[in-house]
Amino acid sequence: TQLLEQSPQFLSIQEGENLTVYCNSSSVFSSLQWYRQEPGEGPVLLVTVVTGGEVKKLKRLTFQFGDARKDSSLHITAAQPGDTGLYLCAGVKWPQGGSEKLVFGKGTKLTVNP
Amino acid sequence: NAGVTQTPKFRILKIGQSMTLQCAQDMNHNYMYWYRQDPGMGLKLIYYSVGAGITDKGEVPNGYNVSRSTTEDFPLRLELAAPSQTSVYFCASRGRASGANVLTFGAGSRLTVL
Repeated sequence: TQLLEQSPQFLSIQEGENLTVYCNSSSVFSSLQWYRQEPGEGPVLLVTVVTGGEVKKLKRLTFQFGDARKDSSLHITAAQPGDTGLYLCAGVKWPQGGSEKLVFGKGTKLTVNP
Repeated sequence: NAGVTQTPKFRILKIGQSMTLQCAQDMNHNYMYWYRQDPGMGLKLIYYSVGAGITDKGEVPNGYNVSRSTTEDFPLRLELAAPSQTSVYFCASRGRASGANVLTFGAGSRLTVL
């Protein structure tokens, strides 16, 4: 059972276009993180959203955490070739009696063509 | 700071061989993790450690072993390599940033078992 569903799985767009990537779950998370991974490298954290309804902006990237803390979206405005990569969302849960657990989605592979 | 360093970057093994993937971090983080990443499958947790001398299983521990004799090092051992262990392996350590726990990943080790 995949706890976090990301869509779309693949996205190929032209430079200058806008796009939105979604991360959905039936579970509630204490926070949610977005990572970007470039070919041959490890994932790098972009942002952490903690509060339901929270919106964070990182230059042309806008991240939103759903009101119920079950879903999140990443919107990129005027995409550039440098945005190309695999975008991973990761939900943070605190199992009863256990230590913090990070659950990753399968990722969205974005290609921005010049 | 080097962050998280993984070696080797690439390795080809024959079925039944054994090897150790090395991971070292210089951030004095207590928590360290090993993930494997298969195409279209996201990141799966193999083992993790909450400090020197303490390790625990993740989602997919079978066929792997770990040890944590120091804070800095967290090697992953593959015994009797199988083709199903062909994957990209990422080591990560956990620190704090902006009030949240965040992972710093190494650049990965690509393992092929033939």
